[in-house]
Amino acid sequence: EDKVVQSPLSLVVHEGDTVTLNCSYEVTNFRSLLWYKQEKKAPTFLFMLTSSGIEKKSGRLSSILDKKELFSILNITATQTGDSAVYLCAEITSGTYKYIFGTGTRLKVLA
Amino acid sequence: DVKVTQSSRYLVKRTGEKVFLECVQDMDHENMFWYRQDPGLGLRLIYFSYDVKMKEKGDIPEGYSVSREKKERFSLILESASTNQTSMYLCASTAGGTSRGYTFGSGTRLTVV
Repeated sequence: EDKVVQSPLSLVVHEGDTVTLNCSYEVTNFRSLLWYKQEKKAPTFLFMLTSSGIEKKSGRLSSILDKKELFSILNITATQTGDSAVYLCAEITSGTYKYIFGTGTRLKVLA
Repeated sequence: DVKVTQSSRYLVKRTGEKVFLECVQDMDHENMFWYRQDPGLGLRLIYFSYDVKMKEKGDIPEGYSVSREKKERFSLILESASTNQTSMYLCASTAGGTSRGYTFGSGTRLTVV
């Protein structure tokens, strides 16, 4: 059975800290891995990763995929209170548009 | 701005009621999905649809049904609501080949009492 596991489940840091969120997956026909940020409502898209070793960046956020070791990390540098959210990782299997989600990492950034 | 709209943000229903959750997208997407989100369990797929009048069961379809009579609208139906269906329900849509994944609705928090 395909599975996505995120760690840690929750994390509390102070503004200015750097955090690394982890996502590992076990899937039969991997196609892509995605990261979403969810505050109080709809998850919003952050990154889609398909190729191994290529870092994607958006401001203070960056992410990379390792297809050999079957994991991805999401880095947030110089964290701000607005980064407080649940971060979701999901994978898409080849031949389908269904996503399998991890349980999420709840990040709280203290001022 | 493209949108997925869920008709209700909060709903409170009684056990045994028939409940309709509506989702409408304005992006002409073929693919639509219903998930429920529970603490510690993440998002779990209930039903999805790749085309009008087409539906497929997800991982947890028991107690639910769906309807897709028009491309833009995907409805989730709780035939007889039970307290264990209290949850956050998220609708999502995507076009084939998109590089940005799902677009989600804002969610409906359903409480069954």
